[in-house]
Amino acid sequence: NAGVTQTPKFRVLKTGQSMTLLCAQDMNHEYMYWYRQDPGMGLRLIHYSVGEGTTAKGEVPDGYNVSRLKKQNFLLGLESAAPSQTSVYFCASRNRALKNQPQHFGDGTRLSIL
Amino acid sequence: QQQVKQSPQSLIVQKGGISIINCAYENTAFDYFPWYQQFPGKGPALLIAIRPDVSEKKEGRFTISFNKSAKQFSLHIMDSQPGDSATYFCAASKKMDSSYKLIFGSGTRLLVRP
Repeated sequence: NAGVTQTPKFRVLKTGQSMTLLCAQDMNHEYMYWYRQDPGMGLRLIHYSVGEGTTAKGEVPDGYNVSRLKKQNFLLGLESAAPSQTSVYFCASRNRALKNQPQHFGDGTRLSIL
Repeated sequence: QQQVKQSPQSLIVQKGGISIINCAYENTAFDYFPWYQQFPGKGPALLIAIRPDVSEKKEGRFTISFNKSAKQFSLHIMDSQPGDSATYFCAASKKMDSSYKLIFGSGTRLLVRP
């Protein structure tokens, strides 16, 4: 049972480069989320999706774009990477049906921007 | 009003001792309060959660105490073990913009000495 799978696990980019982080879930969840985790700041929501074809901005969306073309996949894109985007990125998903449901997290992508 | 304040930032406890982590919130619309446990290199995983109509919830050695009037909640780990060494995040959830969003505390790094 894979749950939430994130690829890649590690990546080093140069300033100005672009890349896409992939999140895949096999739990048939409607809601999906992208967070970034920085020391001493907890997890901050970047973008989220309530269903296939829909996305919305979270707390820190600037410099990121997302797409949800298939229900099981949620992509996070960095158009022009900046050192401030060095972070660990986590994807999560949850079931829409019930009110108090936990979010299930992947193991993260560690991204360094030089 | 959307913040969740967590303390302490780090905690060292001897094996067998009690670990206590505290969180406070402002927004009374929050209706679900989960705690997540995160081991190095892994994503956060749900540990235990509580609704605001309950003052205490216990699961094994882990207990959440909830004080609705003070807008505070805490995690108690009884008989702490070295295997409990991890980072703990409190969170608060409410429905916002057609999705349930989690607001995370800044995290507490727990070290249990043998």
